[in-house]
Amino acid sequence: QSALTQPPSVSGSPGQSVTISCTGTSSDVGSYNRVSWYQQPPGTAPKLMIYEVSNRPSGVPDRFSGSKSGNTASLTISGLQAEDEADYYCSLYRSSSTVVFGGGTKLTVL
Amino acid sequence: EVQLVQSGAEVKKPGESLKISCKGSGYSFTTYWIGWVRQMPGKGLEWMGIIYPGDSDTRYSPSFQGQVTISAAKSISTAYLQWSSLKASDTAMYYCATFARLYTDAFDIWGQGTMVTVSS
Repeated sequence: QSALTQPPSVSGSPGQSVTISCTGTSSDVGSYNRVSWYQQPPGTAPKLMIYEVSNRPSGVPDRFSGSKSGNTASLTISGLQAEDEADYYCSLYRSSSTVVFGGGTKLTVL
Repeated sequence: EVQLVQSGAEVKKPGESLKISCKGSGYSFTTYWIGWVRQMPGKGLEWMGIIYPGDSDTRYSPSFQGQVTISAAKSISTAYLQWSSLKASDTAMYYCATFARLYTDAFDIWGQGTMVTVSS
């Protein structure tokens, strides 16, 4: 059982916005900005989309944004496109130099 | 170009040993951590462990401690993941990825994955 809880699935129509949550505890997500988000289309390797809660790597569209409130981090995708359909995973780098992933969320573009 | 190139797919029998590889290029291999991630068929990502090739400092997930060995050969810019006795439950895709090379506390470059199938 993952230490980070994500909804199994979310969906939205093209052009809409969707938000994927990632819930931890006050001693991990709530205390540190070490949350990152990965996109994994079917049959491909994961790709970094957000790091340190809200920062976008070079080349990632600004339609992707991250935030955090309390013990929950969130990934928001605005202006949804068909190519955004993928699995999304949050990840946390813990103070013990270990990493944990969330269970993953399948995004369906209707 | 910065990249990680993993070894090819493997088909093994239960009880056999295996070592898969991840070769880095285009960056200073010894100065950035490399992690390994398992993805069982139809399932999510699981962090297995991480190694610093410069001094081979290694950390394991409790779930994988004692089940696998992570190592690195810095002279050939290659990280390894090995099993001494495979089980059917080791059937999965395995990814390597650089950690915090460009982006803080994140896996920023991923290998293409190595599929390991364990079946009698």
